[in-house]
Amino acid sequence: DADVTQTPRNRITKTGKRIMLECSQTKGHDRMYWYRQDPGLGLRLIYYSFDVKDINKGEISDGYSVSRQAQAKFSLSLESAIPNQTALYFCATELAGDPDTQYFGPGTRLTVL
Amino acid sequence: AQSVTQLGSHVSVSEGALVLLRCNYSSSVPPYLFWYVQYPNQGLQLLLKYTSAATLVKGINGFEAEFKKSETSFHLTKPSAHMSDAAEYFCAVCPGGTSYGKLTFGQGTILTVHP
Repeated sequence: DADVTQTPRNRITKTGKRIMLECSQTKGHDRMYWYRQDPGLGLRLIYYSFDVKDINKGEISDGYSVSRQAQAKFSLSLESAIPNQTALYFCATELAGDPDTQYFGPGTRLTVL
Repeated sequence: AQSVTQLGSHVSVSEGALVLLRCNYSSSVPPYLFWYVQYPNQGLQLLLKYTSAATLVKGINGFEAEFKKSETSFHLTKPSAHMSDAAEYFCAVCPGGTSYGKLTFGQGTILTVHP
């Protein structure tokens, strides 16, 4: 089984809809991250969480919110989706004792029509 | 603040040829530097990382990178390309010396390997 899983893997939605992307991990890592990937722009950090009670905004948090339900689960929500949120979204985990080595999930491809 | 520039969004080589993917960084503090690889329809995998120890870093699959402070570079090389190396490669930088995994990624370089 994969250590970092993301659901759904693909999602098509309409402008204005609320959508949640979920990330689960079995690695026992305390840190989790959400990134979006756009062609030619690399990955950009949306939110990150160092533990269940610690959530921080990344460089592009506007239009997104997150919830850290447990150490193993970190969800990303789009309250009212818009077309320019069409992208590939990645969740990543990191062990505090091994900083900066991040382990990525397989990604969720989101299309907002 | 830190940033990463990858020179060349696409690189094409023949199988068996040298692979050279270029990465330049800027950082206000001594950086940690990384190369990640993304195969089609997969997440990113760590190839190698520099964390202020040896300047020549060896990674998986025969890749290596050299940290050159004077040139603010961290180029990725492999002596002989294999078809399986075809993927997108990302260079990333993080403020060094902190347990603070906030990576800044470059825009990526797509490597194509021709038979």
